[in-house]
Amino acid sequence: SAVISQKPSRDICQRGTSLTIQCQVDSQVTMMFWYRQQPGQSLTLIATANQGSEATYESGFVIDKFPISRPNLTFSTLTVSNMSPEDSSIYLCSVGNGGLGDTQYFGPGTRLTVL
Amino acid sequence: TQLLEQSPQFLSIQEGENLTVYCNSSSVFSSLQWYRQEPGEGPVLLVTVVTGGEVKKLKRLTFQFGDARKDSSLHITAAQPGDTGLYLCAGPTVSADGLTFGKGTHLIIQP
Repeated sequence: SAVISQKPSRDICQRGTSLTIQCQVDSQVTMMFWYRQQPGQSLTLIATANQGSEATYESGFVIDKFPISRPNLTFSTLTVSNMSPEDSSIYLCSVGNGGLGDTQYFGPGTRLTVL
Repeated sequence: TQLLEQSPQFLSIQEGENLTVYCNSSSVFSSLQWYRQEPGEGPVLLVTVVTGGEVKKLKRLTFQFGDARKDSSLHITAAQPGDTGLYLCAGPTVSADGLTFGKGTHLIIQP
């Protein structure tokens, strides 16, 4: 299994500012993903972080709002830009190696509150 | 769009009772996964089912994948307070990279 850490674990931010969330894995992985979990809700996939190329975004999510970097096989960042209170959520990083029935391991999440 | 519908959304029962949680879709999935999430933590994988009709057991938990691979169920026998949590079913997205999740079942087991 993979051990995933996220920084920060939580933050309170002002409207209009941006926050960058870091995801670090203890081993090289093929796939890294970013999810959003709104209060009391389930998880929604934001994007797949691709190493060395632009992230692949799901419908409803755009690069200008959620720029993602993945400089190597163990690290990725997600930025939440120009934040509004509607961005208040838990943001989770997950990793996997692809393939049928692949296991995805999740980080502990970053709890973001936008005032 | 592949949607996963979970029921019930909320369930509160007494310790020792049995329960079943359902995950249904109109789409066929190559596999389905069940996760359990506790407050302040990320989801933790319980099981992956890949074959239609498959049944997997994990101690007091029994998972079943429908013959048509459109639905799954999770049955818990003799529930314990430690089973309390958010149970999520998930399947691969159309692009088969990430996961699409059901809305989850909030389960509370009262002592």
